[in-house]
Amino acid sequence: EDQVTQSPEALRLQEGESSSLNCSYTVSGLRGLFWYRQDPGKGPEFLFTLYSAGEEKEKERLKATLTKKESFLHITAPKPEDSATYLCAVQVEDFGNEKLTFGTGTRLTIIP
Amino acid sequence: DAGVTQSPTHLIKTRGQQVTLRCSPKSGHDTVSWYQQALGQGPQFIFQYYEEEERQRGNFPDRFSGHQFPNYSSELNVNALLLGDSALYLCASSFQGDYGYTFGSGTRLTVV
Repeated sequence: EDQVTQSPEALRLQEGESSSLNCSYTVSGLRGLFWYRQDPGKGPEFLFTLYSAGEEKEKERLKATLTKKESFLHITAPKPEDSATYLCAVQVEDFGNEKLTFGTGTRLTIIP
Repeated sequence: DAGVTQSPTHLIKTRGQQVTLRCSPKSGHDTVSWYQQALGQGPQFIFQYYEEEERQRGNFPDRFSGHQFPNYSSELNVNALLLGDSALYLCASSFQGDYGYTFGSGTRLTVV
């Protein structure tokens, strides 16, 4: 069965203190790995899709990378507005199986 | 360009009652998926609708049912509500189940 594990569960950083969030996955064949940001009481907001090992994508202070077993979301010099829960999800390479399988998320808090 | 619209935003129901949640997909999208997100957890896939038919279903009981209309909007129905059904219900739309899933802000259902 497809599994997605995110770590740490929660992370508190000082403003400007860079760090990385981890998403490890076990799937039969990866079609895509997704990163979402979710604010309390809101729906997930799309950040990145990664398709193959070695791929990297950047957006402002965020950079996502992918290997065959895991993905990292690197946060450089974060600001308080980066505080949110970051969700990782996978979609498998299986015709007719298009659901996203999510991890439980990393709750990130940036302290001013 | 409107994104995914869900209604209502909040709902309180009594155990045993029935509830209907509604979703209008993003313009240009024809596929709607529903997810349940319990507090502190990642979203769990309920089912997906395409061309007015249920295309894929997650591990949810038959009390959960849905419908898609010709204009691609969708409803999620839950019968015989249990306390454990309390969660944030998310609708996500895409074009033919393509990679770009857009989520709505969700409906917060509380069962008392």
